[in-house]
Amino acid sequence: GENVEQHPSTLSVQEGDSAVIKCTYSDSASNYFPWYKQELGKRPQLIIDIRSNVGEKKDQRIAVTLNKTAKHFSLHITETQPEDSAVYFCAASRRVSNFGNEKLTFGTGTRLTIIP
Amino acid sequence: DVKVTQSSRYLVKRTGEKVFLECVQDMDHENMFWYRQDPGLGLRLIYFSYDVKMKEKGDIPEGYSVSREKKERFSLILESASTNQTSMYLCASKIPAGDRASTDTQYFGPGTRLTVL
Repeated sequence: GENVEQHPSTLSVQEGDSAVIKCTYSDSASNYFPWYKQELGKRPQLIIDIRSNVGEKKDQRIAVTLNKTAKHFSLHITETQPEDSAVYFCAASRRVSNFGNEKLTFGTGTRLTIIP
Repeated sequence: DVKVTQSSRYLVKRTGEKVFLECVQDMDHENMFWYRQDPGLGLRLIYFSYDVKMKEKGDIPEGYSVSREKKERFSLILESASTNQTSMYLCASKIPAGDRASTDTQYFGPGTRLTVL
């Protein structure tokens, strides 16, 4: 099955600086790569995703890049703010049945702390 | 706005008890999922369901079973709770990937923190 590795497990960044979280996946058939953010005591929520037919996607201060050849993808947060402090999870998925439904395999998470 | 609810935020049970965790979603989603979340291990898939009466094992199904009698409700069952099942349990739902309206986003419930003594 799919295996997703995520690094680093913890990351502290000065407010205003950039943060980068990296993930690798094992299944070359994976074609969908979302990132979820989980604030303390809250449920995970999707913040950005990318499909295998594109190499980069941006949404304001966050961006995701994908290298299919190397099987890795990264989350980039620029101009970090205190509200970016959270646990971030990467995930990968592929179609698993004739219905085309996808299950996600998650990374182990990165606890990002923004230092004011 | 999608709403996924779970029956309890906190639950304390004793070893050997049968435990039911309930998840309800109000968006008519076909796909539903149960995960457990443990520090350093991320979110691990226990079981998922494509539709009513359908279920598939995830990555860590041992010690668990599920029930999907109605589309909006997906139950996780611990037949005989053990201390190593102490964890945060998260339910999620989504529109199937083959549906034109699908965005592949999984919507999570607030979680149930289960402690087995």
